[in-house]
Amino acid sequence: QVQLQESGPGVVKPSGTLSLTCDVSGGSISISNWWSWIRQSPGKGLEWIGEIHGSGRTSYNPSLKSRVTISVDNSKNQFSLELTSVTAADTAVYYCTRNGQVSLDSWGQGKLVTVSS
Amino acid sequence: ESVLTQSPGTLSLSPGERATLSCRASQSVNSNYLAWYQQKPGQAPRLLIYAAFTRAIGIPDRFSGSGSGTDFTLTISRLESEDFAVYYCQLYGSSPPLYTFGQGTKLEIK
Repeated sequence: QVQLQESGPGVVKPSGTLSLTCDVSGGSISISNWWSWIRQSPGKGLEWIGEIHGSGRTSYNPSLKSRVTISVDNSKNQFSLELTSVTAADTAVYYCTRNGQVSLDSWGQGKLVTVSS
Repeated sequence: ESVLTQSPGTLSLSPGERATLSCRASQSVNSNYLAWYQQKPGQAPRLLIYAAFTRAIGIPDRFSGSGSGTDFTLTISRLESEDFAVYYCQLYGSSPPLYTFGQGTKLEIK
């Protein structure tokens, strides 16, 4: 059973960069699967940020594409999220997930990130 | 991009009753691309149903999904205390954004 765990700063300053890492255990990140970042805020509900394959191929939500980079480190079995030029609207719980069959079948516990000075 | 609208916003029922939750898409969608999640306070969403009808691993058979076209339903046949939570539907798209969610239905104890 694959397990995911988010880590990173819980507070980011406005105009700064949000950086999170997802550690994957119980399975190899490089074999066949795609992996996503999702965020959840009271105002916007659940929002898909983007995804990455173990090969490094990515796909992003057009609404965030200009500010988002998702990368993978196969040697550490982890993938990461960077979101630049953050504002208060980026305050949310950020989840990393494994993509299943047209769904998201495994989720991390979530990391609350607050944008505040 | 299809928008998903869930109803009702809040559903108040008692344990043992049947729950029917609705998810309507703004345009006809492939039912194979519709999923349902359960979220309890302080927890991540949990996948219940994918491809509209298929239960995820470990999901009890009191949960079932149905529907086609623009109208989809999650049914919980006999509510148990642990079923009271927020439920989301989700659609997989052919182009980004690949995953879009409804706004959720809160199932609360009456």
